[in-house]
Amino acid sequence: DGGITQSPKYLFRKEGQNVTLSCEQNLNHDAMYWYRQDPGQGLRLIYYSQIVNDFQKGDIAEGYSVSREKKESFPLTVTSAQKNPTAFYLCASSIAPYEQYFGPGTRLTVT
Amino acid sequence: AQTVTQSQPEMSVQEAETVTLSCTYDTSENNYYLFWYKQPPSRQMILVIRQEAYKQQNATENRFSVNFQKAAKSFSLKISDSQLGDTAMYFCAFMKLSGSARQLTFGSGTQLTVLP
Repeated sequence: DGGITQSPKYLFRKEGQNVTLSCEQNLNHDAMYWYRQDPGQGLRLIYYSQIVNDFQKGDIAEGYSVSREKKESFPLTVTSAQKNPTAFYLCASSIAPYEQYFGPGTRLTVT
Repeated sequence: AQTVTQSQPEMSVQEAETVTLSCTYDTSENNYYLFWYKQPPSRQMILVIRQEAYKQQNATENRFSVNFQKAAKSFSLKISDSQLGDTAMYFCAFMKLSGSARQLTFGSGTQLTVLP
């Protein structure tokens, strides 16, 4: 089945550690996105990539990094520089300029 | 920059009734898309409906329809014959078509509860 997978569903880390969230899609979509969702708020864009080996910062990129070495994969690293990393992270993909399709999300808790 | 406002944090509706969720947006763009997404308790974001700004006709998808008022920058979602499975957080989202980026700008959401 075509779709977007994110792993793991729940992730726990100690403060000061970097952590990488996985996002894979087999929809053959060119564009991929990372969003952050906090309680009571809508989604905010962290990074996006429209083609392999290219990506741009979104509205809240500080403390995060990404790579896009393959069309199918767009991993997000939450670094120790991110001051409030505990959140729900959603990955999406699209054939621009149309609607984005989302993965099931990863809940990251940093203590 | 674009902003999207959903002024109803919570709403409820009786099963089989009709409910309308409000959304307003602010933009200087002329070409854009608008979307409604739902997020049920599973937290999976699911596309409900899309509206292209250049189209005057309101989009419909089965029990879901929109009232798009471009001049007023209003984009409401009407759910007819509400079902228990419609219980979810609903997000309005804006996508501008100028430039190369295709990011979505989301509102803060409306939690809809369908009551039996």
